[in-house]
Amino acid sequence: AQKVTQAQTEISVVEKEDVTLDCVYETRDTTYYLFWYKQPPSGELVFLIRRNSFDEQNEISGRYSWNFQKSTSSFNFTITASQVVDSAVYFCALSEGSDMRFGAGTRLTVKP
Amino acid sequence: EADIYQTPRYLVIGTGKKITLECSQTMGHDKMYWYQQDPGMELHLIHYSYGVNSTEKGDLSSESTVSRIRTEHFPLTLESARPSHTSQYLCASSQIDTYNEQFFGPGTRLTVL
Repeated sequence: AQKVTQAQTEISVVEKEDVTLDCVYETRDTTYYLFWYKQPPSGELVFLIRRNSFDEQNEISGRYSWNFQKSTSSFNFTITASQVVDSAVYFCALSEGSDMRFGAGTRLTVKP
Repeated sequence: EADIYQTPRYLVIGTGKKITLECSQTMGHDKMYWYQQDPGMELHLIHYSYGVNSTEKGDLSSESTVSRIRTEHFPLTLESARPSHTSQYLCASSQIDTYNEQFFGPGTRLTVL
């Protein structure tokens, strides 16, 4: 069975600090995809990134970067120079094809 | 930009009422989903559909029902609402191909008194 663990329930940082959100997954499949979503206070989930199991290259998009390591089954998300607008709940998710499993989420609060 | 809509955004009703939460998408996606989520907490899949006339139950047992008569429309109905149904309901859709990201609607926050 697939499983996603986000061990950090809540993180609080001060603006301009870097912050890393951890995601550890379990799967028996060799083909799978990993995702990150952002849920701001307004409630909708916003898709951030999708990464397949065969591509371990790290990805950078502006202040966001993702580190995928199959050896440790982790797909961590780093926000550089955090801003107040980054405050949200962030969800990591895993898909083996049939459905998507979400982690419990990490609530990030960025204080001015 | 995702085009998936949910109405109403907020609903407060009394116990025993029948309600239908609406969800529509204009992306032509075959797969659609309903999740239940307490604010900021884990998402629980309650229903999904592969296409017209297809409906499946998700992981979380739910007293709600769904229908899929048209590709773009996936309403969720509670025949008799109870306080335990108070939650946020999120609708999502994705392309039928495997591993595709899901696009989410803004959600409906339901309160049953």
